Amino acid sequence: GAVVSQHPSRVICKSGTSVKIECRSLDFQATTMFWYRQFPKQSLMLMATSNEGSKATYEQGVEKDKFLINHASLTLSTLTVTSAHPEDSSFYICSARTGLGLAGLFLRDEQFFGPGTRLTVL
Amino acid sequence: AQTVTQSQPEMSVQEAETVTLSCTYDTSESDYYLFWYKQPPSRQMILVIRQEAYKQQNATENRFSVNFQKAAKSFSLKISDSQLGDAAMYFCAYRTYTGTASKLTFGTGTRLQVTL
Repeated sequence: GAVVSQHPSRVICKSGTSVKIECRSLDFQATTMFWYRQFPKQSLMLMATSNEGSKATYEQGVEKDKFLINHASLTLSTLTVTSAHPEDSSFYICSARTGLGLAGLFLRDEQFFGPGTRLTVL
Repeated sequence: AQTVTQSQPEMSVQEAETVTLSCTYDTSESDYYLFWYKQPPSRQMILVIRQEAYKQQNATENRFSVNFQKAAKSFSLKISDSQLGDAAMYFCAYRTYTGTASKLTFGTGTRLQVTL
């Protein structure tokens, strides 16, 4: 299957600092990328959906000014946690969806996940 | 809004045996996808199997198969000949067909233990 990378895999930062997480689709172009947050022993919670070249769509309850998402190209999306606090500590997962193929035909329309980033805010 | 329910927080199976994980969902749509994802201790989400709602035939992938009951809105996963590497969290997920706005809705997960 297609590969999605995330960097860094683990980050520890001080309260009040900003942290940027990168998500890349390595062997396909992703018109849509997703950012999830996962607390221990819980399911994935969708934070936002981003489409290349447009503003991200945030889920209800997710602060857009705190979690800045940029989807500047078809292979790269970034999540910046601004002024991070201990309650932002979590596991963040990105996902990329394969889009339309030639002549408007859907490819497999499948969604691939990155390996996740563990954020710890001290 | 669509919801996905996994009523089994934990399941256990002996190696080489068969286990079935349950999933029900609620939707008013007629066309959609259903998925089972596996999340091992590494926390990398891995697609196990996918079913398109319009297909009556149940999807199979090697030792993994589903029992898709559209009228009952049920989508269970059967793992045959269980292996130690199957131990993981399993998430059932739903997604509508159309458009870039369609997004996955996950269940709460079932933790599968595989014993010797």
